[in-house]
Amino acid sequence: QKEVEQNSGPLSVPEGAIASLNCTYSDRGSQSFFWYRQYSGKSPELIMSIYSNGDKEDGRFTAQLNKASQYVSLLIRDSQPSDSATYLCAVNWNSGSARQLTFGSGTQLTVLP
Amino acid sequence: NAGVTQTPKFQVLKTGQSMTLQCAQDMNHNSMYWYRQDPGMGLRLIYYSASEGTTDKGEVPNGYNVSRLNKREFSLRLESAAPSQTSVYFCASSEAYMWETGGTGELFFGEGSRLTVL
Repeated sequence: QKEVEQNSGPLSVPEGAIASLNCTYSDRGSQSFFWYRQYSGKSPELIMSIYSNGDKEDGRFTAQLNKASQYVSLLIRDSQPSDSATYLCAVNWNSGSARQLTFGSGTQLTVLP
Repeated sequence: NAGVTQTPKFQVLKTGQSMTLQCAQDMNHNSMYWYRQDPGMGLRLIYYSASEGTTDKGEVPNGYNVSRLNKREFSLRLESAAPSQTSVYFCASSEAYMWETGGTGELFFGEGSRLTVL
């Protein structure tokens, strides 16, 4: 059973702070890693993807990947109340002739004004 | 821009009843997926269709069937609903079978269908 683990939270940070979201995965063969954001009652939307070890920055968001430690994280700088949502980590893995995308259970983030 | 459209958005069933969730995408995507989302469980893949004419089981296929009617439409059927199938169901699509070379891995989700089985 391929697993993707996230702290469920809730994680609360003050406005303007850095929010740090973490994710670990069990399949060493995983190659692609994604962060989705899901507002309450809404559908998930992709905010970051990362494929290589190191950091990838996009605006206020930075994804970090360490394949040796099987660890991927998302940093949100200058957090805004509009960032309050559940963040889902997703990892792909092989299953015979197919590959599948496994989601973590999500971390609920609240940014306090 | 409709994107991915799911119907119905809400449904209440009694145990043993059947129903079909409909999904259509207008982005000319090749691959489509059905996920369910339960509290504390994240999104779990039920079935997927890598391309028109093919369907495959995901992580939790028991109790469900699917049909890829054409490139645009992918339906999910519950033949005999059970309370354990109470969940929020999401249909998603991607431009290519997302892990093929050049695939971005981005899934586009519908708004979800909230199903309650009594």
